[in-house]
Amino acid sequence: DTEVTQTPKHLVMGMTNKKSLKCEQHMGHRAMYWYKQKAKKPPELMFVYSYEKLSINESVPSRFSPECPNSSLLNLHLHALQPEDSALYLCASSRATGSTGNEQFFGPGTRLTVL
Amino acid sequence: AQSVTQLGSHVSVSEGALVLLRCNYSSSVPPYLFWYVQYPNQGLQLLLKYTSAATLVKGINGFEAEFKKSETSFHLTKPSAHMRDAAEYFCAVRLNNAGNMLTFGGGTRLMVKP
Repeated sequence: DTEVTQTPKHLVMGMTNKKSLKCEQHMGHRAMYWYKQKAKKPPELMFVYSYEKLSINESVPSRFSPECPNSSLLNLHLHALQPEDSALYLCASSRATGSTGNEQFFGPGTRLTVL
Repeated sequence: AQSVTQLGSHVSVSEGALVLLRCNYSSSVPPYLFWYVQYPNQGLQLLLKYTSAATLVKGINGFEAEFKKSETSFHLTKPSAHMRDAAEYFCAVRLNNAGNMLTFGGGTRLMVKP
């Protein structure tokens, strides 16, 4: 299985809602990532988990809260988002963070719209 | 700091023509370089990667890229474009001492005319 899956595919939420994005991989990868991608822009790194521990937080607002319950799962909890947070949220995984040429495998993304 | 520049935010070619997408990087140490493709409403798919082995790297879907240290370039080519190649292409760089963080170029949208 060489796939990263993400659910839901689409999510519409109000600014007072709480929702979660889910990402799953069964490749035995020990590093997982959240990216945010606005239209016509490259992905921007948000968080990196290495061996289920948060290793990088790219100064992301606290209304985004990541969680890595186990080595296969990565969640992104959303609360009190703003309309400018509407974007495609991509999850990725890789074998680890320190190996040579460690390519990241991306999921299909969750299209988030904040009303 | 490392960075990646993709020259040309839009490239248009005719079906069957050569595809050339440009990527230049800045790095004081040997980088790892990647090309990803993104089809509409999808995630990123790895086309190929350079990890300091062969300078000419062959990828999927008939794409290849050549690492030229003297030019700090890693341009992506394909001899003959297909309609299905129409997509957004991202070049990315990762320093070998920076964990596994990628820095992406701005992207190039490839359009293929029939």
